[in-house]
Amino acid sequence: DAGVTQSPTHLIKTRGQQVTLRCSPKSGHDTVSWYQQALGQGPQFIFQYYEEEERQRGNFPDRFSGHQFPNYSSELNVNALLLGDSALYLCASSSTEAPFYGYTFGSGTRLTVV
Amino acid sequence: QKEVEQNSGPLSVPEGAIASLNCTYSDRVSQSFFWYRQYSGKSPELIMSIYSNGDKEDGRFTAQLNKASQYVSLLIRDSQPSDSATYLCAVERSGAGSYQLTFGKGTKLSVIP
Repeated sequence: DAGVTQSPTHLIKTRGQQVTLRCSPKSGHDTVSWYQQALGQGPQFIFQYYEEEERQRGNFPDRFSGHQFPNYSSELNVNALLLGDSALYLCASSSTEAPFYGYTFGSGTRLTVV
Repeated sequence: QKEVEQNSGPLSVPEGAIASLNCTYSDRVSQSFFWYRQYSGKSPELIMSIYSNGDKEDGRFTAQLNKASQYVSLLIRDSQPSDSATYLCAVERSGAGSYQLTFGKGTKLSVIP
């Protein structure tokens, strides 16, 4: 039973570049959320995708964008990278079918911007 | 400002003792409450979820919720060294047009053998 899969696991980018992170949700899940976790902080909500549309967005600039595909997998794109974008990016999946069992997190992508 | 507050710790307890982790939240509309465990360098792992006032027990873990006081806690009985991790409290509005988890900064727990 595959859980949430994220790729790549680690990434080093230069300031100003663009990056794409990928997520495959847990089997049976149809919703994907993305979180950014800076060192020593709790995860911060970026946005959530359901039915291939952005359903809700957190307090992140437009440089952060995403996409959800028909198979429920998702991408997070970050343009014009800043040093402050260095963080662990977590994907969490869930199901809209009752009962709700909570969100399952992937192992994350560690992004370092130099 | 919706916030979730946790003591950052570190909280140190001897092996076999009860560890008590606390969390307060400011958004009264919050309906769902979660405790996640995060080992260093790893992703958060769901430990407990609680939706109604009172206690919910699962093995060595007990979650307690008091919506009137806007307070949620996690008790870990018979603490083991493998419980040493950061514990994240998260809240969600659920069903009120909000689908995001708001996390605290986490409490670092250290169980001393």
